[in-house]
Amino acid sequence: GNSVTQMEGPVTLSEEAFLTINCTYTATGYPSLFWYVQYPGEGLQLLLKATKADDKGSNKGFEATYRKETTSFHLEKGSVQVSDSAVYFCALRREGYGGSQGNLIFGKGTKLSVKP
Amino acid sequence: DAGVIQSPRHEVTEMGQEVTLRCKPISGHNSLFWYRQTMMRGLELLIYFNNNVPIDDSGMPEDRFSAKMPNASFSTLKIQPSEPRDSAVYFCASSLGQTSYEQYFGPGTRLTVT
Repeated sequence: GNSVTQMEGPVTLSEEAFLTINCTYTATGYPSLFWYVQYPGEGLQLLLKATKADDKGSNKGFEATYRKETTSFHLEKGSVQVSDSAVYFCALRREGYGGSQGNLIFGKGTKLSVKP
Repeated sequence: DAGVIQSPRHEVTEMGQEVTLRCKPISGHNSLFWYRQTMMRGLELLIYFNNNVPIDDSGMPEDRFSAKMPNASFSTLKIQPSEPRDSAVYFCASSLGQTSYEQYFGPGTRLTVT
């Protein structure tokens, strides 16, 4: 089946540290991949996405590269800030499929805490 | 622009009571999704609508759960009777289309059933 696995948290870092949150997926076909962020008390927001192999999504200093050979989409940021503290969700969407088969499938989320 | 609006933001109720969660999607969006988030199971899709019609409700846990979308600007998720295991955060999201468009999430309703 289709699924997303991401590293369990929580992840605690000091400000300006390097961040990696691992995400791997299993899917048939050619999925699009996403990272969503959920700040405390809020709903999920799209952070970045990549729609085909070797694409790099980037936003707000975060990056993730779609690696088909390793079925991965790891999230990275070179220097985290306290304001990056949130829960991060990796997700996939099977393209070319309608109805429920084309819906988003989320990982369980990774909580990031950044200390000053 | 107003985003997805959900009410109430917090709901505490006793087991056996009826609970109704409400959602107003972004104007112009024609797809609406209800999700449930728990620590154990993560984020689960319960049901989604396209043009006010339920397309897939296979994620609805049992008959105690029901959802309606009487018009393009309003949807409800009802639990009757509620049970402690229904305690979770319920999110509503909307998008321009069923699958190929970005989903915009509301702030969620935190439900506690005692």
